[in-house]
Amino acid sequence: EIVLTQSPDFQSVTPKEKVTITCRASQSIGSSLHWYQQKPDQSPKLLIKYASQSISGVPSRFSGSGSGTDFTLTINSLEAEDAAAYYCHQSSSLPWTFGQGTKVEIK
Amino acid sequence: QLQLQESGPGLVKPSETLSLTCTVSGGSISSSSYYWGWIRQPPGKGLEWIGSIYYSGSTYYNPSLKSRVTISVDTSKNQFSLKLSSVTAADTAVYYCARQRLRSCAFDYWGQGTLVTVSS
Repeated sequence: EIVLTQSPDFQSVTPKEKVTITCRASQSIGSSLHWYQQKPDQSPKLLIKYASQSISGVPSRFSGSGSGTDFTLTINSLEAEDAAAYYCHQSSSLPWTFGQGTKVEIK
Repeated sequence: QLQLQESGPGLVKPSETLSLTCTVSGGSISSSSYYWGWIRQPPGKGLEWIGSIYYSGSTYYNPSLKSRVTISVDTSKNQFSLKLSSVTAADTAVYYCARQRLRSCAFDYWGQGTLVTVSS
């Protein structure tokens, strides 16, 4: 099973700051890495697919990068509505797995 | 607009079987472009993939749950279902159904989720 480890677990950020969340895979997964946002009491929402491909309707301040074992989700100029938990997910091999999540709080 | 809606009992007794159904509207479950999956989230914790099914009935299960899980599809009702047997308190979670793109395997549409509590 491929283990995804996110860092940090928690981040408290001021609006307009840049946020960087990393996801490290226990073995190479190519670009088969996707990012989700989960706001409190809501279901997850797909933000980025295949490590860096944007999703229609997602604000352009969200971007992703990486390949192999190391991936990054970047939120440029954080807005108050971005307070949420963020999860990475690998689809390189079964069983599909998720990272443990990173909670982003607005200061 | 595609919508997914989970339904089923919110309370299940230990050792019994948890049964949930996901009804898909605004699109066909028989599309060849998607899997249909179940994911759960214990209170205050992260996401765990349970399993997925293709409209033909092909299934993929998380090995950690495989001995207790059955996922089935009813194309005539545009529904797919989850059964989890021999439940314990550790199975208490919000259960989500979701659409999964065949090529990327990303989950692009999710239901609102339903809390299932295992307690006597």
